[in-house]
Amino acid sequence: DIVMTQSPLYLPVTPGEPASISCRSSQSLLDSRGYNHLDWYLQKPGQSPQLLIYLGSNRASGVPDRFSGSGSGTDFTLKISRVEAEDVGVYYCMQAAQPPFTFGPGTKVDIK
Amino acid sequence: QVQLVQSGTEVKKPGASLKVSCKASGYIFTSYGINWVRQAPGQGLEWMGWISGFNGNTHYAQRFQGRVTMTTDTSTSTAYMELRNLRSDDTAVYYCARATAGSSEYWGQGTRVTVSS
Repeated sequence: DIVMTQSPLYLPVTPGEPASISCRSSQSLLDSRGYNHLDWYLQKPGQSPQLLIYLGSNRASGVPDRFSGSGSGTDFTLKISRVEAEDVGVYYCMQAAQPPFTFGPGTKVDIK
Repeated sequence: QVQLVQSGTEVKKPGASLKVSCKASGYIFTSYGINWVRQAPGQGLEWMGWISGFNGNTHYAQRFQGRVTMTTDTSTSTAYMELRNLRSDDTAVYYCARATAGSSEYWGQGTRVTVSS
């Protein structure tokens, strides 16, 4: 199985400041067509997860443009250009390159 | 709009079986698959498996093989996840999500399951 790791696991943030989360996979998530099968999800307190980024860098429908995803192969980053209070929650990366799909342990983002 | 509505809270005894339903609306059911994901209390997300809405093909996570069965009823646009021989560590919130190339864009509200004697 592909193992996903994230850092940091806890990220206190200041509204208006940028934030960044790293995700690494134990195997490459890049396919032969050049797609990276890496998603980012946010689970706000008490809610179902929501898709933020798919295929490494594509924002899902309705996701604010302050969220961006980058990276390729085994190293990926989620960036929030200016954190807002509503961005608190747990962020997960997930690989969809090969079953079983696996999630990272999650990064809890909280307001300082 | 796309909606996935799951069945309600369940309380089960160890050794029992569980069947969670996930009724889809707002899209062509047979054009997408369904991922099933669970979350134990205070823990992260765990992918359980996937079923095609088109032909019912499945792929299960190895750790659930032999205990889980995922099915669909295209006449009602409903997906089902059955988990047998429940243990206390199956206590979790179970989610269904519409799958596109593995990604889960739309999620159900979750079904809370408690396994306790």
